[in-house]
Amino acid sequence: GDSVTQMEGPVTLSEEAFLTINCTYTATGYPSLFWYVQYPGEGLQLLLKATKADDKGSNKGFEATYRKETTSFHLEKGSVQVSDSAVYFCALTTRGSNTGKLIFGQGTTLQVKP
Amino acid sequence: NAGVTQTPKFQVLKTGQSMTLQCAQDMNHNSMYWYRQDPGMGLRLIYYSASEGTTDKGEVPNGYNVSRLNKREFSLRLESAAPSQTSVYFCASSEAQGGAFFGQGTRLTVV
Repeated sequence: GDSVTQMEGPVTLSEEAFLTINCTYTATGYPSLFWYVQYPGEGLQLLLKATKADDKGSNKGFEATYRKETTSFHLEKGSVQVSDSAVYFCALTTRGSNTGKLIFGQGTTLQVKP
Repeated sequence: NAGVTQTPKFQVLKTGQSMTLQCAQDMNHNSMYWYRQDPGMGLRLIYYSASEGTTDKGEVPNGYNVSRLNKREFSLRLESAAPSQTSVYFCASSEAQGGAFFGQGTRLTVV
């Protein structure tokens, strides 16, 4: 079945460091790909998305590129802030599905220190 | 614009008790979902509803029932709570491939 694998955390960085969180997927068909962010005690918020190969999603300084050849959707940010500390989830939905039901990775905790 | 609203936010149940988690969305989405979140396991789909009047099982449906009351509301019921159902429950809604919008979650503890 379809699945998403994320790098294990926690990831601890100093403020202004470069961030990469790896995400790879297995899917039949051509999925849409998403990154969600969860701040402590809150629900998940959609951070960015990409719906076809080579698309780049971006939001709030975060970017991810849909790489069909490597089945990857790695999240990057050039300079992290303390306020970026959160749990990040990579997810997919299978194209052609009549719903948007999501398959999630296990989440990666990011801690940014001043 | 409230988005997705879940009630209650916190609940403690004794083993064997029943309860219903309520969810409502005001974005006119056709699809709605219930997920549970457990440490180290990401979010797992319990049930979903592709449209008003339909419901389907997700990855972990055992011990739960759902009702799609109308287009706005989708409830999750635990008939006889067990400690294994201690979790954080999230309701979400979406339109097809656009990405889902989540509620704030219900933190449930079964003792």
